[in-house]
Amino acid sequence: DVKVTQSSRYLVKRTGEKVFLECVQDMDHENMFWYRQDPGLGLRLIYFSYDVKMKEKGDIPEGYSVSREKKERFSLILESASTNQTSMYLCASSQDRDSVETQYFGPGTRLLVL
Amino acid sequence: GQSLEQPSEVTAVEGAIVQINCTYQTSGFYGLSWYQQHDGGAPTFLSYNALDGLEETGRFSSFLSRSDSYGYLLLQELQMKDSASYFCAVKWYRAGSYQLTFGKGTKLSVIP
Repeated sequence: DVKVTQSSRYLVKRTGEKVFLECVQDMDHENMFWYRQDPGLGLRLIYFSYDVKMKEKGDIPEGYSVSREKKERFSLILESASTNQTSMYLCASSQDRDSVETQYFGPGTRLLVL
Repeated sequence: GQSLEQPSEVTAVEGAIVQINCTYQTSGFYGLSWYQQHDGGAPTFLSYNALDGLEETGRFSSFLSRSDSYGYLLLQELQMKDSASYFCAVKWYRAGSYQLTFGKGTKLSVIP
């Protein structure tokens, strides 16, 4: 079974802090994704990566950056956290660049920015 | 951009059949996926349709009509554990990469 893990289930940060969310997958998947999920808005794509050191903007990249130094690890960075970034953050992976239709999700990190 | 419409809530009785519809407007469309998410849990993949027609996986079936830009998820013999949110998602292609865009989700409540 594919396993996607995220570094924290819950996180509380202050406005202006730099926040790192880590995601690791253990199935040698090429694609990795970061989403945020808000009530009534579904899952919205922030960034994705189909290879080490590659990144592509999703629908809502503003205020975020990402890093993929190793194939199994994809980090989401909030350079200066703001209250409107309070959300559930979900990481996912898929086997390769073509197979985005089948994604495996981590348990999510619920971030509260005060 | 990509646009998906699905009902926000559906209620159905245990043992019955329920259909969750999804309409989309997508350029570069490749296919339609469905995901299930229980409260507090992660989304899990249910099915994917790239071609027109019905795909069956146990109690769940998924249908796609590319000409109508429409699909649905059919759940049969509903069980209480099927209470969850269901998301349709379109696979599409742009500028060298495939992406998946999700709908806002349908909350299914199964009642006794």
